Parts: sequence; structure tokens; C-alpha cells
Amino acid sequence: KAGVTQTPRYLIKTRGQQVTLSCSPISGHRSVSWYQQTPGQGLQFLFEYFSETQRNKGNFPGRFSGRQFSNSRSEMNVSTLELGDSALYLCASSLGPGAGQPQHFGDGTRLSIL
Amino acid sequence: AQSVAQPEDQVNVAEGNPLTVKCTYSVSGNPYLFWYVQYPNRGLQFLLKYITGDNLVKGSYGFEAEFNKSQTSFHLKKPSALVSDSALYFCAVRWSDTDKLIFGTGTRLQVFP
Repeated sequence: KAGVTQTPRYLIKTRGQQVTLSCSPISGHRSVSWYQQTPGQGLQFLFEYFSETQRNKGNFPGRFSGRQFSNSRSEMNVSTLELGDSALYLCASSLGPGAGQPQHFGDGTRLSIL
Repeated sequence: AQSVAQPEDQVNVAEGNPLTVKCTYSVSGNPYLFWYVQYPNRGLQFLLKYITGDNLVKGSYGFEAEFNKSQTSFHLKKPSALVSDSALYFCAVRWSDTDKLIFGTGTRLQVFP
């Protein structure tokens, strides 16, 4: 069974640009979550989607947005990029939104802002 | 506020010795507890979880974790460490279906030959 696939793996952008990251969950998984990982802040929750609906949102500005499609694939978008947005963005999928469901992570997209 | 603490930034252990990576959480009740491992340039890999039942949970790669409700702890253990266990370990907690999964700050495990 294929794991969680995130594309692209690496991305370089400049300040002010926008970026879209993609995540394909494990087949059969309907819940997708996004996280930002930085050396200083660690792993921070961005949002969680289930059945194309956002169930939870972390404490990030409105520049960060996401969506989920009917096939459970998800995208996240960051507009007006800032230097501080440089991070590893991780996507995780699970069978459903239940609290006991373990999340399975992709290898992430490393975003660098110049 | 709900939080997860991993008090040690780094744990060093000799190969073949037992290892423990500590995790405590702030709120009691009925948490769902998880351990993940991260290798360089990779995402997190699920190791094990505690939902209910036996306080000692066995997971992947010979790891186990002990849930202690009175101490609100969920320490990760392995009887005999391998050099290949060297990685970054994260504890995570979720309190209900509507809660976010909250991660600790991570503990770097270094196993020396």
C-alpha cells in the first residue's frame, strides 16, 4: 500500500509569492492533517480535513489555507510568503477523524523563502 | 491548557543498554497517547499508541511504552538499544475527537556503538 505522498519535496520561493502544496493520503484514508515543522517552534498543527470539511484549525494567520477534494487529496496554500514561513510542511492521513486513529505522515515539503 | 512535555532534548545510550525517552502531559482525563519517530529528511513514523486497557503497550521495532495515569506520563522504552534507533522521537496526545493532536518538542536519541 502506498504511503502518504507529498509534492513537491522541495520548493524555493521569494517573499510575497504564494505557494500550493499537495498531499495524497493513503488509499482509504479520509482524514488529512497538515503540520508545520521548524527548529524553533517544533511541530505546529495547521488544519485537519475530513470529508472535504475543515474540522480543526491551528493558530496560523489567514494567509494559510487548505482544502480537501472528494477523493480525499488535500492542498494547502500560503499567500504573501514571509521569511518565517520557511519550514518543513508535513501532511498526515488517517482512516477517520477519531481521536484514537494514528496519523501516517508523508516525507514533507521543504519550503525555503529567499 | 493542554500541553505535552518531553523534558530531555537529548538522550544518549550505549548500544545494547536499555533506553527510556520521557513524556508527560498536562491534563488528566482519558487521553489518547502516541509515539512517533523521525529520521533525517523524512516524515514521522508511527511507533505505538495507548487508547485504553493494559498500561504497557508494545509497538514497532521492539519499542514499548508505559502509561501511568497518576503521573500523567507515557514513557517510551526499549530493552536493548540499537545504533539504528538513533533518531528524533515525538510524543503526541489527543484528548477527544474534536481536539487537535498536540506534539511534544521532541527528544533526540543518540545510541553509541
